[in-house]
Amino acid sequence: QQPVQSPQAVILREGEDAVINCSSSKALYSVHWYRQKHGEAPVFLMILLKGGEQKGHEKISASFNEKKQQSSLYLTASQLSYSGTYFCGTPVSVLDQGGKLIFGQGTELSVKP
Amino acid sequence: EAQVTQNPRYLITVTGKKLTVTCSQNMNHEYMSWYRQDPGLGLRQIYYSMNVEVTDKGDVPEGYKVSRKEKRNFPLILESPSPNQTSLYFCASSSFLDGLDSEQFFGPGTRLTVL
Repeated sequence: QQPVQSPQAVILREGEDAVINCSSSKALYSVHWYRQKHGEAPVFLMILLKGGEQKGHEKISASFNEKKQQSSLYLTASQLSYSGTYFCGTPVSVLDQGGKLIFGQGTELSVKP
Repeated sequence: EAQVTQNPRYLITVTGKKLTVTCSQNMNHEYMSWYRQDPGLGLRQIYYSMNVEVTDKGDVPEGYKVSRKEKRNFPLILESPSPNQTSLYFCASSSFLDGLDSEQFFGPGTRLTVL
């Protein structure tokens, strides 16, 4: 079953913060996050491999709550370059890690000057 | 340069005319996948392959075929395309080192229109 992302869309001004959530009705074994700009391929942001893990790169970070079966992506002090559609993805089962991913429907983020 | 390549990038065809979209990766990855992307539906997996000669269905395999005869190549075949297969297609590859999940590298995409 497809993970559910919220919100579906968000509009920010430069410098504002945003949180994108990814929830699943099934257990999450790992969580991938990707960003896709219009007309381009998805680009990897980060992967969280176990519950409680948090990762960050510059002003984008993520957390993984295995118990709640959800992950959140945090964008701090957003820049124009953050605009795009964000996807979370997770293996269909613990045996499918590495290849068989199911993605959320995406969250469209627009950063305005 | 590590990359996943797809060809063609754009294709307009007619119903029923067999076509193949090629995908190649130069990273020696074990896993390769095909996705289709449609507005509002996100990325949906069509087929994936764990290694040479090992493939499995994804969420939306109907109307598609794949083969993995070499580790680097994973072509997608549409034997008899129909208009509902009009979509943006992505190939992706990933490794599975030490039993840990890892990032997927996506190709540039193939925009297919079936008239």
